[in-house]
Amino acid sequence: DAKTTQPNSMESNEEEPVHLPCNHSTISGTDYIHWYRQLPSQGPEYVIHGLTSNVNNRMASLAIAEDRKSSTLILHRATLRDAAVYYCILRDSSGTYKYIFGTGTRLKVLA
Amino acid sequence: KAGVTQTPRYLIKTRGQQVTLSCSPISGHRSVSWYQQTPGQGLQFLFEYFSETQRNKGNFPGRFSGRQFSNSRSEMNVSTLELGDSALYLCASTSTGGPLGEQFFGPGTRLTVL
Repeated sequence: DAKTTQPNSMESNEEEPVHLPCNHSTISGTDYIHWYRQLPSQGPEYVIHGLTSNVNNRMASLAIAEDRKSSTLILHRATLRDAAVYYCILRDSSGTYKYIFGTGTRLKVLA
Repeated sequence: KAGVTQTPRYLIKTRGQQVTLSCSPISGHRSVSWYQQTPGQGLQFLFEYFSETQRNKGNFPGRFSGRQFSNSRSEMNVSTLELGDSALYLCASTSTGGPLGEQFFGPGTRLTVL
């Protein structure tokens, strides 16, 4: 199973952009890149996903490297409510559809 | 639309016992996945059910089992509980279960094994 590598923790100031990196050097051509976040005492929630092209939604943007071996989740203006553990996940689309969660990045937002 | 519900929310068992956890997916969702979350191992995939069939299974011993009913509700069972089974068990549902399916997670069941 393809795996992801993320920094254990990051800090950001409130109202500033945050770039959360993820390495997935063993990604296959059929793996989708998903991002989830888990707020304290809650189950994970979907943030964004993509395959090859950069993606934007109301929560964040996803920038995918041309070789797809890395990606970056971008929060345009961090708020205190964005403090969470962010998981970069590869979703195999070749048939098993497994979600393989990494260890995630704990984002701390400073007021 | 109601979210994913899990019952019970908290459970205390002793070693050797068995436990059954329940998950009700979002209405219309046919895929249900189960995860175990511990401080040491993080979020680990247990299994996924789609239309009453187990489609995927993680690397857990046979003591962990599950099933899905015709109404898409799912249960997972852990037999012969061990101390290491203490964890937050999360259930997630998706509409189709395909690679693009956004997973909606429930609040989890906190299992403590004494």
